[in-house]
Amino acid sequence: GQSLEQPSEVTAVEGAIVQINCTYQTSGFYGLSWYQQHDGGAPTFLSYNALDGLEETGRFSSFLSRSDSYGYLLLQELQMKDSASYFCAVSTYNNNDMRFGAGTRLTVKP
Amino acid sequence: DAEITQSPRHKITETGRQVTLACHQTWNHNNMFWYRQDLGHGLRLIHYSYGVQDTNKGEVSDGYSVSRSNTEDLPLTLESAASSQTSVYFCASSEGSGANVLTFGAGSRLTVL
Repeated sequence: GQSLEQPSEVTAVEGAIVQINCTYQTSGFYGLSWYQQHDGGAPTFLSYNALDGLEETGRFSSFLSRSDSYGYLLLQELQMKDSASYFCAVSTYNNNDMRFGAGTRLTVKP
Repeated sequence: DAEITQSPRHKITETGRQVTLACHQTWNHNNMFWYRQDLGHGLRLIHYSYGVQDTNKGEVSDGYSVSRSNTEDLPLTLESAASSQTSVYFCASSEGSGANVLTFGAGSRLTVL
């Protein structure tokens, strides 16, 4: 089976840095993705890691450690518009479906 | 521009009725997925398809069915709607290679009374 764990809520102030962690247990792990979802909206793709290390995309970075079954999403220079839910998701070698964590609700305060 | 559209966006139905949610994509993606989203559960996979005439069960497939007669469409059918199926339903598609990036539709909010 598969399981993903991420914190349910995180709060930070504008301009700060926040890290959202994700641990997983997955057979045939292939890669870890991150999606953002604003209230009432659809999830949108942010980042993807298949290899260990850090991937940087503007203010957002994502990290993966395959040996620790762990990854995180790092958001820098937080803005009010970053208030949203963030989901980690795993894909496997066996097929092309994708399983999501329960999501982390990020609240950015002024 | 390519897009993925869901209809209806909102629907209210009664227990026991059959409901079909439509999903149409113009990305020419082989892979299509249906997820449901409920508070505290994130996105849970219902059914998915890798191509025409291919369908597969996800983690919460009971009470749902799909069919894939062409590349563009993957309708989701609830044969006999139950109150437990009140949820927001998202359709998604992907090219299926590499990062397997999912592109989501805007969602369909279904209420079963």
